[in-house]
Amino acid sequence: GNSVTQMEGPVTLSEEAFLTINCTYTATGYPSLFWYVQYPGEGLQLLLKATKADDKGSNKGFEATYRKETTSFHLEKGSVQVSDSAVYFCALNGNTGRRALTFGSGTRLQVQP
Amino acid sequence: SAVISQKPSRDICQRGTSLTIQCQVDSQVTMMFWYRQQPGQSLTLIATANQGSEATYESGFVIDKFPISRPNLTFSTLTVSNMSPEDSSIYLCSARAGGLNEQFFGPGTRLTVL
Repeated sequence: GNSVTQMEGPVTLSEEAFLTINCTYTATGYPSLFWYVQYPGEGLQLLLKATKADDKGSNKGFEATYRKETTSFHLEKGSVQVSDSAVYFCALNGNTGRRALTFGSGTRLQVQP
Repeated sequence: SAVISQKPSRDICQRGTSLTIQCQVDSQVTMMFWYRQQPGQSLTLIATANQGSEATYESGFVIDKFPISRPNLTFSTLTVSNMSPEDSSIYLCSARAGGLNEQFFGPGTRLTVL
């Protein structure tokens, strides 16, 4: 079946540091890949997505590239802000079988001023 | 995009009682889902709510414990039955429109069972 593996958190960074959150997946066929963000006390928001190999999703300074050869979709940001503190979830949507998103375990990011 | 609302936003319930959570989408959607997010954990799919027929449950979840209704294309309910403290979680409604790859989420219902 489909699965998503994320790096363990929490990740603690200073403001303006470079961020990478690793995400790898297992799926049959060609899934679509997503990053969702959950700010404290709020619901899930779609951050970015990519639907095919080599696509790059980007939003709010965050980027992730769909790498089929390494089955990865790592999230990056060049300069984090305190307001980026949240939990980040990597997810996939397979194109066969179950149509709901499969989520990784989530990575908590804490950015210190 | 779709805007999803849930009621109640939170509740505190006694062991052995049941709670029904409502989910309303502001547009017609093809698929609706219910997830559970236990404290500090990721999201686990409970079931897919099927319009006009029985929900499709994931392994570990059963209809007697989590009955689901979906009478039309914009509304669904999830009932958490005979609750125990282990049911304390955030329950999230999610929807996906036909032809779109994106899934949208409601704000969640925070349930505490004493």
